[in-house]
Amino acid sequence: DQQVKQNSPSLSVQEGRISILNCDYTNSMFDYFLWYKKYPAEGPTFLISISSIKDKNEDGRFTVFLNKSAKHLSLHIVPSQPGDSAVYFCAAFTSGSARQLTFGSGTQLTVLP
Amino acid sequence: EPEVTQTPSHQVTQMGQEVILRCVPISNHLYFYWYRQILGQKVEFLVSFYNNEISEKSEIFDDQFSVERPDGSNFTLKIRSTKLEDSAMYFCASSGDRGTEAFFGQGTRLTVV
Repeated sequence: DQQVKQNSPSLSVQEGRISILNCDYTNSMFDYFLWYKKYPAEGPTFLISISSIKDKNEDGRFTVFLNKSAKHLSLHIVPSQPGDSAVYFCAAFTSGSARQLTFGSGTQLTVLP
Repeated sequence: EPEVTQTPSHQVTQMGQEVILRCVPISNHLYFYWYRQILGQKVEFLVSFYNNEISEKSEIFDDQFSVERPDGSNFTLKIRSTKLEDSAMYFCASSGDRGTEAFFGQGTRLTVV
């Protein structure tokens, strides 16, 4: 039961260009969405989040867009840097619950110098 | 910067043995979680803990698993009789009352042989 899906297991982007990572969800009860970045042998690191009452949230080079009608969100990184190379996980939760996260399967982003 | 710390970083145990994974969440956080990631798979929710009791647990969190907050700082996950399929990275996380993002520890790699 994949409530949060990341259909692209990998993405390669040239340094300085935009990286766009996509995520789809099926559970309409989700009302908060987060992106985490993960390096090998480390825990996920929080990047940026968005609540369902918004359609965009920006933090420096990172912008998350939410399209509720399509149950789709995306993370834009611009400009991409080699240090951004990592696995990016989309996650979601329902605020009325204990706020446990449901994760997507992740997208390996490689930024080429 | 406050962080979630986990010990040990790597634990090797024989099948059938009990293991205890330890975590020190961020000190003013109120919600505590355990997640796991089997190699090559997505991060999966195990259990959430709030107000000294389990709030939610997944189907993975069966009778072999238990959690405890024995004092004001530690949060432990016990696996009573380990199985080969329990081999995974186990991540502890915590979140505050107002904050929505969970902060993760660096993980404990559990290897059951």
